[in-house]
Amino acid sequence: GAGVSQSPSNKVTEKGKDVELRCDPISGHTALYWYRQSLGQGLEFLIYFQGNSAPDKSGLPSDRFSAERTGGSVSTLTIQRTQQEDSAVYLCASSPDRGRTEAFFGQGTRLTVV
Amino acid sequence: AQTVTQSQPEMSVQEAETVTLSCTYDTSESDYYLFWYKQPPSRQMILVIRQEAYKQQNATENRFSVNFQKAAKSFSLKISDSQLGDAAMYFCAYRGTGNQFYFGTGTSLTVIP
Repeated sequence: GAGVSQSPSNKVTEKGKDVELRCDPISGHTALYWYRQSLGQGLEFLIYFQGNSAPDKSGLPSDRFSAERTGGSVSTLTIQRTQQEDSAVYLCASSPDRGRTEAFFGQGTRLTVV
Repeated sequence: AQTVTQSQPEMSVQEAETVTLSCTYDTSESDYYLFWYKQPPSRQMILVIRQEAYKQQNATENRFSVNFQKAAKSFSLKISDSQLGDAAMYFCAYRGTGNQFYFGTGTSLTVIP
């Protein structure tokens, strides 16, 4: 597809379970970003990938959160032992390397931990 | 790290009127890019307008324009002839010489019929 694709769109999970969120960036975009957005709030930076490496993962809130990117393309954000405070929308964005180009966003995954 | 500040959590405007959303940023870089994004209830982030710091001319996209004051590190968004479809959360963003994007906390815009 032409845009950033995230799956699933919605995910309901029980507290304590692990979840995986997937992001397919726009083809050729070397930079990939994960953000978390709580209801009615701003974007909380989680991690940034340049190719397959993560120069900045300072935003990951705890060691329960991890992310990887393979083949310079698809990225997976994993949350282990989910807690209720993990409930939020998780947004993925991609961008070409540097320059004037904006970040292109997916529609996000709404995660609800019950 | 750069910081982006949006001091207006909520704004409202009458339909067909003009509204200005404020954004300031802090940076020591001279070459950077600024963006305004719109996020409607569908939660899809949509680019509204971009500004290159090296350009003195303010960017304009139809009813949307910016007032870019580089010395003051200010980047406000003006929406003219406001429409009901403009109701959304608006985010100001900064991208410098690195690859990171820095976002403000957002301004929720209500359009009153």
